[in-house]
Amino acid sequence: DAGVIQSPRHEVTEMGQEVTLRCKPISGHDYLFWYRQTMMRGLELLIYFNNNVPIDDSGMPEDRFSAKMPNASFSTLKIQPSEPRDSAVYFCASSHGTALFFGSGTQLSVL
Amino acid sequence: KQEVTQIPAALSVPEGENLVLNCSFTDSAIYNLQWFRQDPGKGLTSLLLIQSSQREQTSGRLNASLDKSSGRSTLYIAASQPGDSATYLCAASMTTDSWGKLQFGAGTQVVVTP
Repeated sequence: DAGVIQSPRHEVTEMGQEVTLRCKPISGHDYLFWYRQTMMRGLELLIYFNNNVPIDDSGMPEDRFSAKMPNASFSTLKIQPSEPRDSAVYFCASSHGTALFFGSGTQLSVL
Repeated sequence: KQEVTQIPAALSVPEGENLVLNCSFTDSAIYNLQWFRQDPGKGLTSLLLIQSSQREQTSGRLNASLDKSSGRSTLYIAASQPGDSATYLCAASMTTDSWGKLQFGAGTQVVVTP
């Protein structure tokens, strides 16, 4: 298996633009997580899904953030409109059981 | 709210020395404690997971201990190598709903010099 795949690897956008981050979890994994990493706040859980259903979105910072998982092999995290303070590395991770596998992340820069 | 702290923030050792990385947490009602490794520009790789009922876990040169009563976990890396250079993060799980719902420490950046 190729592991958790995220795209794009890097995204540079201007304030106010819509940003969509994508994730393909490992096949057979029933949990999917979106984390955000910044120097100031470290790694924070934004939202997680179980069997494509959002379970806990309490970490989503604002209504500007939304996440979907239309099927077991694809998830998106959307920011609309984006702001400079959204600049961070966004990680997707998936699991089945205890082991958690992370993607390589999307480095987002909002100018 | 659970707070996870890792001290020191950075550590440099010569090759061959044993590494000791510390992690503390404020709420002892954890379900498990995990250690991860992060290389620059990469995602996290899971190293060890200790269940709340366990005292330690071992994998090769790595050994992690857990003392819930004192709110501490320690990661030992024996006979360090330059390839061990990375950032090491610990994370606590407070729920059985999902062991991927984690509260992370800020990490300890390790440099092993040849």
